[in-house]
Amino acid sequence: AQSVTQLGSHVSVSEGALVLLRCNYSSSVPPYLFWYVQYPNQGLQLLLKYTSAATLVKGINGFEAEFKKSETSFHLTKPSAHMSDAAEYFCAVSAERGATNKLIFGTGTLLAVQP
Amino acid sequence: SQTIHQWPATLVQPVGSPLSLECTVEGTSNPNLYWYRQAAGRGLQLLFYSVGIGQISSEVPQNLSASRPQDRQFILSSKKLLLSDSGFYLCAWSVLVATQYFGPGTRLTVL
Repeated sequence: AQSVTQLGSHVSVSEGALVLLRCNYSSSVPPYLFWYVQYPNQGLQLLLKYTSAATLVKGINGFEAEFKKSETSFHLTKPSAHMSDAAEYFCAVSAERGATNKLIFGTGTLLAVQP
Repeated sequence: SQTIHQWPATLVQPVGSPLSLECTVEGTSNPNLYWYRQAAGRGLQLLFYSVGIGQISSEVPQNLSASRPQDRQFILSSKKLLLSDSGFYLCAWSVLVATQYFGPGTRLTVL
């Protein structure tokens, strides 16, 4: 069965510092992987996705993630944090290949950016 | 382009009252549709999904039900709300490669 583990429910960085949010997955089939961002009282917004093309995926707002099959990881990074990056981030893996397109979500990481 | 709407945006309801939340998608045909709930401080819980009109799959036993009367309309309902039904309800759609796109959400408070 597929699963996602996000290490660190809360991460705090200084403005301008590197952002690293960790995600490890388990999947019985080649996975599709996603990162979403959620601002307070809003829906989830797709940041980026890996669907078996290039292993380094670039997304919106300067974020990127690298698919590492040997480490079963899909960590999210951004070289320089902005105050506007403060939000909750969710990693997700495709639950199965088929018509349902269901996703399995991690429990989320709340990113705080200190001035 | 595709858009997804949810209403109402916020709702305060007494325990035991009925519930109806609506989700509609524009700009696509025959999408998969999903209802999620986020309880305070918790992740996303998939409640229902639908791959077509009248086709509803429930992920967890609960006090809620879902219906899909039209291709791009998804409704979440309850006959009698419980305190534990409070939360942030999100609707999402997908058509290809598992990518789901989310609506703005409905904040439900049951008192």
